[in-house]
Amino acid sequence: QKEVEQNSGPLSVPEGAIASLNCTYSDRGSQSFFWYRQYSGKSPELIMSIYSNGDKEDGRFTAQLNKASQYVSLLIRDSQPSDSATYLCAPWGGFQKLVFGTGTRLLVSP
Amino acid sequence: EPEVTQTPSHQVTQMGQEVILRCVPISNHLYFYWYRQILGQKVEFLVSFYNNEISEKSEIFDDQFSVERPDGSNFTLKIRSTKLEDSAMYFCASIRRGLAGATDNEQFFGPGTRLTVL
Repeated sequence: QKEVEQNSGPLSVPEGAIASLNCTYSDRGSQSFFWYRQYSGKSPELIMSIYSNGDKEDGRFTAQLNKASQYVSLLIRDSQPSDSATYLCAPWGGFQKLVFGTGTRLLVSP
Repeated sequence: EPEVTQTPSHQVTQMGQEVILRCVPISNHLYFYWYRQILGQKVEFLVSFYNNEISEKSEIFDDQFSVERPDGSNFTLKIRSTKLEDSAMYFCASIRRGLAGATDNEQFFGPGTRLTVL
């Protein structure tokens, strides 16, 4: 079972700051990770995927994967109030299901 | 951009009734999933489906649940006799392929069906 742990938050940051979201995982065999954003009452929306150690940047988002330490993180630069949501990380295992943690609730204040 | 669609957006039913939730995955996708999310809780996997059969199912997916892909485009989840605890958001998702490490693994979710069992 691919378990993930996330701090449920809320993580509060002011507008324009960097938000740092972290996720640790238990299965050393996990190769790929996905970050989803979920607004209240809505479905998860894929925002980043990362398949190898190191950093991957996409606009204001940077995903970081450290397989040795078994953590994956998401940085959001220049945070906006519209970024306020719950962020879910999930490991991928072939065609298997995604196993979501509880997610971290991010609040960006204007 | 192609997207996963689900109908209805909200379904209200009486306990013991059968419901069918419908999904139209992205057209060239091969793997299909149902998840559910009880209010305030995490998203939970129910079942995965590939090549017209179930690939994996969770403990939640008991004999009251079934899935099928009747016509090559729709993907349905049936709950035979609903219980109060089945009230949740139900999400359908799909991916193009299941190759580990490939970008084709990105799983796209539909908007969900809110099921309310009274």
